[in-house]
Order: sequence, then structure tokens, then C-alpha cells
Amino acid sequence: DQQVKQNSPSLSVQEGRISILNCDYTNSMFDYFLWYKKYPAEGPTFLISISSIKDKNEDGRFTVFLNKSAKHLSLHIVPSQPGDSAVYFCAASRNTGNQFYFGTGTSLTVIP
Amino acid sequence: ETGVTQTPRHLVMGMTNKKSLKCEQHLGHNAMYWYKQSAKKPLELMFVYNFKEQTENNSVPSRFSPECPNSSHLFLHLHTLQPEDSALYLCASSQAPGRSGGAHTGELFFGEGSRLTVL
Repeated sequence: DQQVKQNSPSLSVQEGRISILNCDYTNSMFDYFLWYKKYPAEGPTFLISISSIKDKNEDGRFTVFLNKSAKHLSLHIVPSQPGDSAVYFCAASRNTGNQFYFGTGTSLTVIP
Repeated sequence: ETGVTQTPRHLVMGMTNKKSLKCEQHLGHNAMYWYKQSAKKPLELMFVYNFKEQTENNSVPSRFSPECPNSSHLFLHLHTLQPEDSALYLCASSQAPGRSGGAHTGELFFGEGSRLTVL
């Protein structure tokens, strides 16, 4: 049973516009959420995280929003750049543990 | 070297072969992980080592055998694999809660992966 879901396998966005990637989770015990970015032939790299005590965390062009009641989080990238084209994985964990649950990823293509 | 390094990057093996994947982390972390990434599937956690002790084994077949000789090195020994085991195997490390518990202090740092093909 998949506890973290990314229902959109792919997304295309024009350069300069906003990219919104979505993620849903089922386990209400999760209290730490992360986004990873993965280029082909490379391992995932950490992008941004959010603790369940917050509903928003911003880092430059990247903002993660958390809606605990809906068990939903989203990653906003604005403005989108061609170099942002990659696969984005959502992950969740319990803050007192060290097991991370990943979604299937969303492939973002930013069109110049 | 910095970060998490994995060798080999690519491996092709027959079903009767025995091979090993190696991972080394230079981040001073105390936890190391093996993940499997198959096409169109989430990253699947295989094994977790915390302070060199295996703390998680997510129902992984015995043809995969992990070894963690110290907190910086992690191996995945492979024997009599099946073609469906072909995947990208990712090693990761993190600074996990101490032996007395406590909050997780950081995210996972991944290596570049070992692309395994079983013929």
C-alpha cells in the first residue's frame, strides 16, 4: 500500500511560468516532508523540506505548502527555468524514525 | 571525495553470478540505506543501518545480502538474482536519531546509484 502518492507522472510548463507539483499521503503520523530532484543518471538530491508544524516553507524560487487536514503538499517553482527539468520525488517520514516513504515521481519539463 | 559514492555505476550480471555493490559516505552520518528504484514505482526501501546495526529489512529476498562493516561503508551482496531485479540501486545516508531517540536531524543524501542489469 503506497503511503505517498504523486498522481501526475509528468508536467510541462513554459519557461517563466509557475510549476506546481502535487503530492498526497495517507499516514497521519508523518510529520516531516521533503522534495527531491533527480536528473537522469544521477541520484536524487534534496531540494526543500517542511515540518508538520508549518504550512509553508520558502527557499528562493521553491516553496512547499503543506495542508495537513487534506494530507496534501505541493511544490511551487516560480519562475520555472529549463534547468528545472527533472523528476521530482515527494517523500515523508516520522520525525522520530529514519524510514522515508517516497512517491513515484513527477517528470517536469520546462519549455524554453 | 565528498558526499555519497557508489561503485560500480553499471553492472551486468548473469543469474548465477555473485557480485557486490559498494557505497561509501564521507558526511559523518550514522545511518545508511539501500533503496531500489524500478521504472514507474516509488523508491523502495530495502535496508537501513543505524550505527552499523540493521534496523530495517523490508521483506527483501535473501538473494540480497547487506553488510555494514562501519558507519561509512555499506555493501549489497548479490547472488542468484532474477531478471526482475534489474533496477537502479541507490545508497543514501543521513544523520538519524541517536541511540536514545530524538528527532531526525536531516534529510537523506543519495549516491548516484548503481544501474544493475540481470540477464
